[in-house]
Amino acid sequence: NAGVMQNPRHLVRRRGQEARLRCSPMKGHSHVYWYRQLPEEGLKFMVYLQKENIIDESGMPKERFSAEFPKEGPSILRIQQVVRGDSAAYFCASSPPGQIFEGYTFGSGTRLTVV
Amino acid sequence: TQLLEQSPQFLSIQEGENLTVYCNSSSVFSSLQWYRQEPGEGPVLLVTVVTGGEVKKLKRLTFQFGDARKDSSLHITAAQPGDTGLYLCAGRQPNDYKLSFGAGTTVTVRA
Repeated sequence: NAGVMQNPRHLVRRRGQEARLRCSPMKGHSHVYWYRQLPEEGLKFMVYLQKENIIDESGMPKERFSAEFPKEGPSILRIQQVVRGDSAAYFCASSPPGQIFEGYTFGSGTRLTVV
Repeated sequence: TQLLEQSPQFLSIQEGENLTVYCNSSSVFSSLQWYRQEPGEGPVLLVTVVTGGEVKKLKRLTFQFGDARKDSSLHITAAQPGDTGLYLCAGRQPNDYKLSFGAGTTVTVRA
C-alpha cells in the first residue's frame, strides 16, 4: 500500500511567485491535515480538510494561503506571492474516517525554499 | 510559546547507554503521541497513549503517560545508532482533532 504521497519533494520559488504543494492521502483515508515545520519550532497545524470541505483552517495565514481537497485528485496547498518567510517544510498527514483521533500517517513533505 | 515543552532539546550519548526524553504541559490531553523523524522525511508514529498512568513498551522503547494526562516520557534502553533521530511528542486536547507538537528532541547515539 502506498503511503501518503507528497510532491514535489523540493520546490524553489522566487519571491512573488506561486507555490502549489500536492498531497495524495493513503487509500481509504478521507481526512487530510497540513502542517508546517520551521527549524526548532516543531510542527504547526495549518488546515484540516475532508473531501470537498474545509473543516478547520484556523492555522492558515489569512492572506496568500489556501487549501482544497477536491472530490477527485490530491489535496492542494497553494501559496500565492511567496515571501522568504514561507520557506519551510510542509507536511501532509491523512487518517481514515472514524479514526481521526488516532495517529496520523505523514508524507515525506515538501521543502519550499523562497529565494 | 509551545503548548508542549520537550526536554532536553539535544541529547548525545554513547551506544549502549539509556536515555529519557520528557514532554510536559500545563494542559490536559485526551491522547498523546510520540513520533520519530529522520532528516528529509516526515514524522513516523511510534505510539499513542490515551489513559493516565499508561505505560507502553515497543522493544527497547518505553512510553509513559502521566497520571494527570499532562505529561509523558520516552525511555530508550541500551540505545543504538539506529535510534538517532528527532523525537516529537504531540498531544490532542479534549474535543479537538488537531495535534499540538513539541519542538522536538534531537537524539544522537554514537557508535
